[in-house]
Amino acid sequence: AQTVTQSQPEMSVQEAETVTLSCTYDTSESDYYLFWYKQPPSRQMILVIRQEAYKQQNATENRFSVNFQKAAKSFSLKISDSQLGDAAMYFCAYRIMNFGNEKLTFGTGTRLTIIP
Amino acid sequence: GAVVSQHPSWVICKSGTSVKIECRSLDFQATTMFWYRQFPKQSLMLMATSNEGSKATYEQGVEKDKFLINHASLTLSTLTVTSAHPEDSSFYICSARDAGGARFSNQPQHFGDGTRLSIL
Repeated sequence: AQTVTQSQPEMSVQEAETVTLSCTYDTSESDYYLFWYKQPPSRQMILVIRQEAYKQQNATENRFSVNFQKAAKSFSLKISDSQLGDAAMYFCAYRIMNFGNEKLTFGTGTRLTIIP
Repeated sequence: GAVVSQHPSWVICKSGTSVKIECRSLDFQATTMFWYRQFPKQSLMLMATSNEGSKATYEQGVEKDKFLINHASLTLSTLTVTSAHPEDSSFYICSARDAGGARFSNQPQHFGDGTRLSIL
């Protein structure tokens, strides 16, 4: 079974600084997707960034980027120039790349606090 | 695009009543929707996969008769918590992905705002 581990229950960063959130996963599959979702106090789950395992290039979305290490099964999220609006729970998620099996497996989350 | 609406956002009811939660895809057709449950300070756990026009697929340990899912149209799935009890109190979130009408897709899931259910 696939598992997703986020070893940092809480993180904090000074506004405008950079922070990295860790995620590791366990799978025997070679093709899969990885995601980072953000859940602010409003509780809505917002897709931050997505990575396909077959792509060697790390995904980037504006201030958000990932460091995908397939061999190490690591998928960290880097937030640059942190803003107050980045404060939220961040969940790492895994999904096998397989039609008919779209189950998302989530990590336990990291609560990110932005210090003004 | 890819907006998912969930209603109601918060419901409080007495023990023994049934509660219906709606999940709508507003600007796309969703042949498949997903229902999650989230306990306080915990992660999301998939409860079931809702398929338009067919029976839902439930995850192991989820009671089918307790959590009834109906996906009668391409834009609406409903979750009914039957004979709700205090232990059913939780945050329920639905998601859907824009597959262009196809049954399967590798598009990312987009989530509704969630429903906070409190059973007294």
